[in-house]
Amino acid sequence: DIQMTQSPSSLSASVGDRVTIACRASQSISSYLNWYQQRPGKPPKLLIYAASTLQRGVPSRFSGSGSGAVFTLTISGLQPEDFATYYCQQTNSNPTTFGGGTRVEIK
Amino acid sequence: EVQLLESGGGLVKPGGSLTLSCTASGFRFSSESMNWVRQAPGKGLEWVSSISGRSDYIYYADSVKGRFTISRDNAKKSLFLQLNSLSVEDTAVYYCASHECGPGSCYFPYWGQGVLVTVSS
Repeated sequence: DIQMTQSPSSLSASVGDRVTIACRASQSISSYLNWYQQRPGKPPKLLIYAASTLQRGVPSRFSGSGSGAVFTLTISGLQPEDFATYYCQQTNSNPTTFGGGTRVEIK
Repeated sequence: EVQLLESGGGLVKPGGSLTLSCTASGFRFSSESMNWVRQAPGKGLEWVSSISGRSDYIYYADSVKGRFTISRDNAKKSLFLQLNSLSVEDTAVYYCASHECGPGSCYFPYWGQGVLVTVSS
């Protein structure tokens, strides 16, 4: 199975900050990388698919980049509603696997 | 509007069984693969199982293979997960999630609210 490693596991930031979360795959996954946001008590919400394509309705302050085995999620101008946990997911090969999550907390 | 609504969760003893259901609306259910994803308390996301639109492709995580069975009824726009031989490690919120593929990736665009399964004596 492909292992997905996210870093950091948690971070503290202030409203307005630029935040970057990294996701590394144990082998190349091309662009088969998705990002989800999960608020406490809620289901995950798809933010970005195919490494850099913004899902409909997701604010443009979210962006994704990368290919192969190294990817990043960037939030440009953190908003109060962005404090949540973020997960990457690879769908290049079965089974699909998720990263361990990055919790974004208020500083 | 796409909606996925799970039901069937609850408290079950180790070794017991349970069947989860997910009712879909707002999209062409029969055309889409579907998934079950679970999340243990305070932990991350774990994919459990997937099934293609016509049920011709079915996959399971190694952790549940031989114990869980995924199925669907397209006429009723419903997805099911039968959980057998449950252990405390199966305690989690179980989500159903839709599955789409486009250029460059496959992804899970819609998720239900989740249903809690607690395995405890």
